[in-house]
Amino acid sequence: GQQVMQIPQYQHVQEGEDFTTYCNSSTTLSNIQWYKQRPGGHPVFLIQLVKSGEVKKQKRLTFQFGEAKKNSSLHITATQTTDVGTYFCSGGGADGLTFGKGTHLIIQP
Amino acid sequence: NAGVTQTPKFQVLKTGQSMTLQCAQDMNHEYMSWYRQDPGMGLRLIHYSVGAGITDQGEVPNGYNVSRSTTEDFPLRLLSAAPSQTSVYFCASSYSYRAENAEAFFGQGTRLTVV
Repeated sequence: GQQVMQIPQYQHVQEGEDFTTYCNSSTTLSNIQWYKQRPGGHPVFLIQLVKSGEVKKQKRLTFQFGEAKKNSSLHITATQTTDVGTYFCSGGGADGLTFGKGTHLIIQP
Repeated sequence: NAGVTQTPKFQVLKTGQSMTLQCAQDMNHEYMSWYRQDPGMGLRLIHYSVGAGITDQGEVPNGYNVSRSTTEDFPLRLLSAAPSQTSVYFCASSYSYRAENAEAFFGQGTRLTVV
């Protein structure tokens, strides 16, 4: 079945620094989605990318989908304490909606 | 609009007991799924369904059963609880998972402890 690998597992940054997490799939994905989970909460949808090479922005967040539709990245510019949480990528393929292990973002004031 | 309703929020079971985690959605979504979340393991897919009467296994299906008799409901049954099933369980639904409009909506989660 498909696997979605996500790196890094943990990322410590100083408030104001940038942050990037990467997602790689062993198979071509029909779409990729990004979610954020606050500590003690449930995953909440951020965005979906469908087209090869697609780039979308949400304020300080930039999402990219690779040309081969096998990888993606989430970049946060000038992190804030509200960005704390775990960021998951998820790919739609033949075996349902599978998630990467997530990147835990820890921000030091 | 309730979204995805998952019950109970907390549960303690003794080894060998059985129980059903309930999940209901009111968005007429075709795709529903169950995940377990353990520290360092992310969200692992247990079972999923692409419509009423259709279910399939995910990454970690052993020890769990599901059924999808209606579009709205997708219960997860633990047949004989084991300590290894101590975890946080999430139910999710989406219009689809392979096309556009695949945004998944999650329930609040069930924190299950098996002693």
